[in-house]
Amino acid sequence: QSVLTQPPSVSGAPGQRVTISCTGSSSNIGAGSHVHWYQQIPGTAPKLLIYDNINRPSGVPDRFSGSKSGTSASLAITGLQAEDEADYYCQSYDSSLSGVFGTGTKVTVL
Amino acid sequence: EVQLVQSGAEVKKPGESLKISCKGSGHRLTSYWIGWVRQMPGKGLEWMGIIFLGDSDTRYSPSFRGQVTISADKSISTAYLQWSSLKASDTAMYYCAAGLEFEFDYWGQGTLVTVSS
Repeated sequence: QSVLTQPPSVSGAPGQRVTISCTGSSSNIGAGSHVHWYQQIPGTAPKLLIYDNINRPSGVPDRFSGSKSGTSASLAITGLQAEDEADYYCQSYDSSLSGVFGTGTKVTVL
Repeated sequence: EVQLVQSGAEVKKPGESLKISCKGSGHRLTSYWIGWVRQMPGKGLEWMGIIFLGDSDTRYSPSFRGQVTISADKSISTAYLQWSSLKASDTAMYYCAAGLEFEFDYWGQGTLVTVSS
């Protein structure tokens, strides 16, 4: 059972900016644990988008950005493109170093 | 660069045992944590546990502790996920993934496990 809550869905027109929130607690994000973000296109393995709250792996477009504040984190996608339609998951750790994924958010490009 | 190749799809009956594998290739693999992630049909990702390939230090999610066993053989750069008695509710896609810290930089292709009588 996930303890990181995300909105089930967000949508936007091509070129728009969308944000996905990831709400945790004082035992995970609020305790200083890093947040990572993954993109999963249906039928494929997830792909790391953002690590350690704000960093992009090589090859990830700078349209994707992450932030963290208090017990929450956010993923922003600017200049939304059709290829961004996918499921997005945040991930962090609790005080016992057990990992946890968020509930997942489906991004739809209108 | 790290590549992870998982064992093939499995079809099992309830009560049977199963061990699936995840073989890594690339340099410095003994410096990586390898984790297992469950995705039930139509559902989200679930963090099951993680093992450090260098010394087999293992952490489990409370939801999966006692339900599965994670192990590794660093001599062949392979991690394993094992069940002693499968249930129908274990039907899912299982991914292995690796990272130097606790993020998952690299992912396997997934192993589909189907448990049905």
